[in-house]
Amino acid sequence: AQRVTQPEKLLSVFKGAPVELKCNYSYSGSPELFWYVQYSRQRLQLLLRHISRESIKGFTADLNKGETSFHLKKPFAQEEDSAMYYCALSTMNRDDKIIFGKGTRLHILP
Amino acid sequence: ETGVTQSPTHLIKTRGQQVTLRCSSQSGHNTVSWYQQALGQGPQFIFQYYREEENGRGNFPPRFSGLQFPNYSSELNVNALELDDSALYLCASSLAGLGNTIYFGEGSWLTVV
Repeated sequence: AQRVTQPEKLLSVFKGAPVELKCNYSYSGSPELFWYVQYSRQRLQLLLRHISRESIKGFTADLNKGETSFHLKKPFAQEEDSAMYYCALSTMNRDDKIIFGKGTRLHILP
Repeated sequence: ETGVTQSPTHLIKTRGQQVTLRCSSQSGHNTVSWYQQALGQGPQFIFQYYREEENGRGNFPPRFSGLQFPNYSSELNVNALELDDSALYLCASSLAGLGNTIYFGEGSWLTVV
């Protein structure tokens, strides 16, 4: 079964501290993995995708196929990082549907 | 702004009624997907439309149906509303092709009482 698991509902981190949001997935094929972010009162938007191998707003995520993980990391948290983060995978099938995790709320403490 | 607009933003319906939600896709996008996001959950894929035809469907009953129009705008219809249908309904548009970025609207909040 296709599944995305984000074990933490809420993660509180002090400003300047490192951030790691965990994500594990279950899929028999070769998925594409994403992180989406939703800031307060804004729409859901793409943060990064594993095929791009880019760093957005200081965030990076490495796909580990052996551990079926795609954890999101940032070395130094900033207050504006407070938001809801969703890990997601695309099955890369014809319908290109995206399967989301339940999300982790990141709260940056001053 | 990403250009995906949805209406209405909020609405309240009674159990058993029918509802229609609307979505205008971003200019140039020919594919529209609909997602249901219940409180405390991630978005769940309902279905996708490409060139006015359903192109894939998630685990939702037939009372969830949709349409895509020649201008690529779309409607989501839900019949015989149930209390559990209360959720945020998100529309997302993209250009057809695997791996293309999808852009979400702000959603329509549906409350069923």
